[in-house]
Amino acid sequence: EVQLLESGGDLVQPGGSLRLSCAASGFTFSNYAMSWVRQVPGKGLEWVSAISGRGGSTYYADSVKGRFTISRDNSKNTLYLQMNSLRAEDTAMYYCAKGERYLTIADPEVFDIWGQGTMVTVSS
Amino acid sequence: DVVMTQSPLSLPVTLGQPASISCRSSQSLVYSDGNTYLNWFQQRPGQSPRRLIYKVSNRDSGVPDRFSGSGSGTDFTLKISRVEAEDVGVYYCMQGTHWHWTFGQGTKVEIK
Repeated sequence: EVQLLESGGDLVQPGGSLRLSCAASGFTFSNYAMSWVRQVPGKGLEWVSAISGRGGSTYYADSVKGRFTISRDNSKNTLYLQMNSLRAEDTAMYYCAKGERYLTIADPEVFDIWGQGTMVTVSS
Repeated sequence: DVVMTQSPLSLPVTLGQPASISCRSSQSLVYSDGNTYLNWFQQRPGQSPRRLIYKVSNRDSGVPDRFSGSGSGTDFTLKISRVEAEDVGVYYCMQGTHWHWTFGQGTKVEIK
């Protein structure tokens, strides 16, 4: 069964750090780009960051650039999101999603699989 | 960035009746390979998003055939032929043609 399982969400103070993980199974992880998408409670979906299959290319939304770092360990089939200098506006559910085969290239498989999400709350 | 605009943002429907959601993009979504990468997602209350439709009109595995997608260029539509109780939730369109991929604001479908 194809599955993504996020973990690492927590309550953290403004200015703090957190690392999210996303464990993948059921597909050849290294063959696909992966993305993080977040959702403020009661609001819509916002793409946050993406990484190519081999990890050599990364992209970020302007709202997190310079504060968040996406990475992956293909030997462990795991995606990560290191979140630093956290702000109240980063409070959201964070989802990992299976991406395209070649990062930034249109693909019918993009976002066909999502995890269940992990909640990040930034508050003092 | 390509802006995706959905309407309506709220859609009360009667069980068994049809429903229709519109999605418009700020640029044509026709890719260089001739395909149009417009997807639709369903998010039921308390659940993660689930993809329903890819490339405008192709249903994902397990998606009931009461869901259908249509459109071209910049104008797209998701239709539910007969709304059932399990269809309650928020529906998002998403373009996967122009990097980076962007979502519409969402349309909340509820039962009258």
